Amino acid sequence: DIQMTQSPSSLSASVGDRVTITCQASQDITNYLNWYQQKPGEAPKLLIYGASNLKTGVPSRFSGSGSGTDFSFTISSLQPEDVATYYCQQYDDLPLTFGGGAKVEIK
Amino acid sequence: EVQLLESGGGLVQPGGSLRLSCAASGFTFSSYAMSWVRQAPGKGLEWVTAISGSGRSTFYAHSAKGRFTVSRDNSRDTVYLQMNSLRAEDTAVYYCAKDDGGWPPSKFDYWGQGTRVSVSS
Repeated sequence: DIQMTQSPSSLSASVGDRVTITCQASQDITNYLNWYQQKPGEAPKLLIYGASNLKTGVPSRFSGSGSGTDFSFTISSLQPEDVATYYCQQYDDLPLTFGGGAKVEIK
Repeated sequence: EVQLLESGGGLVQPGGSLRLSCAASGFTFSSYAMSWVRQAPGKGLEWVTAISGSGRSTFYAHSAKGRFTVSRDNSRDTVYLQMNSLRAEDTAVYYCAKDDGGWPPSKFDYWGQGTRVSVSS
C-alpha cells in the first residue's frame, strides 16, 4: 500500500498568514493526489484534485502543487473559516490512502 | 442538488453484524463509483471499499476484506455496506462518498453526513 505522510500534524497561525502543509508519498504517484478540508463536526470536502486543480467554487486562496512523491497545500491568507483538518489522499493505486491530517488553528 | 443520506449505524456487540445504507439523489447514480470511508473517534480518514457504477467491480481495504461486502441497487439509487464479524476497532463514523468518475475510484466530490457505528459489549 502507498503510505501518505503529512506534516505538520497541527499548526497555529494568525489571520492573514500564509500556511503550507506538506504530503509525502511512499512511492511515485505522479500527480494523483487530492486535498480535502474537514471542519469540526462535518464531512470532508474536496478542495483540490490532481495535485493542483482547484475544485469549482473553492476560494482561490487555496492552492496545491507537487508531483512524484512530494506535494504541498497552501492557504495564501488564512481566514477564520479555514479552521479545519486538511487531508491528502492518493489515487495512483488501490487501496486509496489518506495522510494522517493536518489540523489548522488560529493563533 | 447531490444528496447522500446514510443510515443503519448503531451499537453492536463484537462479532455482530450491521448493514449500512446510503440513499443517493441529484445525479445519475449508476454512472458513478461509490465508496465508504470511515473515521474512528479522534482519528483520520480511512478508505474502506468502493464499488463501480455497474456494481461489477469492487475493492476493499485490508481491514475490510473478508468481513465487509459492498453492494448497490441502481434501481433504488442506494449503496450498501454489509459488515460482519465486527471488532472494537471498527468503531467509527462511516461516510458514503460519491466518486467523480466511474472506475477505478479516484476523488470524492460529495460526501454524506455519516452514520456512527459503535462496537462494544
